[in-house]
Formats: sequence, C-alpha cells, structure tokens
Amino acid sequence: AQSVTQPDIHITVSEGASLELRCNYSYGATPYLFWYVQSPGQGLQLLLKYFSGDTLVQGIKGFEAEFKRSQSSFNLRKPSVHWSDAAEYFCAVATNFGNEKLTFGTGTRLTIIP
Amino acid sequence: EAGVVQSPRYKIIEKKQPVAFWCNPISGHNTLYWYRQNLGQGPELLIRYENEEAVDDSQLPKDRFSAERLKGVDSTLKIQPAELGDSAVYLCASSVAGTFREQYFGPGTRLTVT
Repeated sequence: AQSVTQPDIHITVSEGASLELRCNYSYGATPYLFWYVQSPGQGLQLLLKYFSGDTLVQGIKGFEAEFKRSQSSFNLRKPSVHWSDAAEYFCAVATNFGNEKLTFGTGTRLTIIP
Repeated sequence: EAGVVQSPRYKIIEKKQPVAFWCNPISGHNTLYWYRQNLGQGPELLIRYENEEAVDDSQLPKDRFSAERLKGVDSTLKIQPAELGDSAVYLCASSVAGTFREQYFGPGTRLTVT
C-alpha cells in the first residue's frame, strides 16, 4: 500500500524568507501527488498536483513543487512567504486513476514570524 | 459557485449518544467522500459515494457508523453510539467524474465526545 511521510511536524519561517516542505512517498510506480493547505477552521484547499510530464509544477498562491522519482519526493517550495501562508500543509498520494483514494501525510504546521 | 457545505460546524456530545453530520456537495459533483481527521493527523477516507452507491466503505467502522446519500446529492454520516475515540474533525469532499477527480473539501465538523 502507498504511504506518505512528512518528516517535519512544525516549521517556523520568517516572513519574506524562502520555504521548503518535505514530502516522501512509498509506492512502486509513479503516483499522483498533491499538496493541500488547511487554514484554521477551514477545509483543505488544493495547492497543486502532479500527474505526469514536467516534474516542476506550479500551483496557486505562488507555490511550486518538484517531483523527484529517484528520491521518491515531492517537496513544496515558495520563494518568499507571507504571513497569510501560516497554515497546515498536507502532502497526499493517489495511485489509481478511477479510484481516487487519497492517502495523506501527517501534515506540517507552518508558522510565520515577522 | 458555492462550495461544499457541512453542518453543524461543531458538536459536543456525551459518549454513547448518537450524532449525525450533514454534507451538501458542490452542484453537479456526483462523487462524495467522508473523511475523518484525528488531531495531528491527515484525513483518512471513511466512505466514497458514486451517486447513491457506496463504492468504497472499507474503512468505515460499520458497527457504529452509517452513511447514506439519498438521491445522490446530500449525505449524512451517523455515529451511534459515539465513543471517546470518535472525537475528530469529519470532512466531506466532492468531485466530478470524467477527469482525475479533484476533491473539494468542506470546512468540516469538529466532534468532541465527553
């Protein structure tokens, strides 16, 4: 079965600094990969997704992620964070088109300091 | 376009009491998902509906949990009787068939069982 690991439970970043959130997956083939953001009291919002093709994908709110097959990783990046980026970030994987069961990681909580 | 609507947003009950959560998906979305999100964890799928049919309920604890989606639109998730360990956020999501189905999440219902 597929699994997702987000090794960082909590990250603190200064406003304006760059950000990288780590995500590693376990699956025999190329999965479908996602990053979601969850603000307090809100549902999850899709930031970006990777299915195939260009391994660098652009998402909303200035986020991007890079799929690296050799490292089984799909790290999320942003060149300059804003205070409004403070939230919980979840990486997720799905393995079958037509059976879109998402398996989520445990999340990384992002704190932004002035 | 209205998003996924869930009610109530918060519910506090005593153990052994019943509780029900309601979800109204985005109009036109024929796939509906119920997830449970425990504190500090990512969401875990409980059940997925395609129209009125539950096509994946393998993770639903059927001894106390039940769900229905009459007429293929709104859905209700019920717990009877509730246990302390059921305290969590219950998320509803919906998606449209045809392409890889991006899931749109509601804000969730936070359940506290005392």
